Amino acid sequence: DQQVKQNSPSLSVQEGRISILNCDYTNSMFDYFLWYKKYPAEGPTFLISISSIKDKNEDGRFTVFLNKSAKHLSLHIVPSQPGDSAVYFCAASGDTGGFKTIFGAGTRLFVKA
Amino acid sequence: DTAVSQTPKYLVTQMGNDKSIKCEQNLGHDTMYWYKQDSKKFLKIMFSYNNKELIINETVPNRFSPKSPDKAHLNLHINSLELGDSAVYFCASSQDGGRGLAEAFFGQGTRLTVV
Repeated sequence: DQQVKQNSPSLSVQEGRISILNCDYTNSMFDYFLWYKKYPAEGPTFLISISSIKDKNEDGRFTVFLNKSAKHLSLHIVPSQPGDSAVYFCAASGDTGGFKTIFGAGTRLFVKA
Repeated sequence: DTAVSQTPKYLVTQMGNDKSIKCEQNLGHDTMYWYKQDSKKFLKIMFSYNNKELIINETVPNRFSPKSPDKAHLNLHINSLELGDSAVYFCASSQDGGRGLAEAFFGQGTRLTVV
């Protein structure tokens, strides 16, 4: 039972354009959401997060939007750069019968120069 | 100066063997985790420790036993290794009382191959 879903396994974007990575969740008890980036042979690194009391959080080129009614969040990268090519994991946490962070399967982003 | 370091990076071993993966964090965090990334690339939590106390123990075979000698270390011991244990194992730490409300810092991963 996947509580956090990233339905696009991959996404290809031209350099300079916007990358939009999507994430859906099923458990309404999640109240904190995070995005991680992962390069090959490395561990995931934290990118940006958002609390359920907000609907938007911005950090430089990265913006996360949260739509609680739709149980959907998205990560926007503008402008996309070749160095952004990586796997992006969406994660959610909250009191779901024990506090734990649930990760999605990841979306591989390719930014073409 | 590596924040979360785990050793070894690669581990190839035969079925039935017992092996350990070590993890250390120098961030002063209060919570440490073990995650497993399987062949489908899902990152699934296995265990978490808050101040040396086990707080999350997912449905993991009891052949897997975490050990936290102190707040900065969380080792993973695996008995009687099976082919299905082959995966990448990530250690992580965070400063959030184990509530998952802060970003986690991950180690580089240990690729375990059971032959």
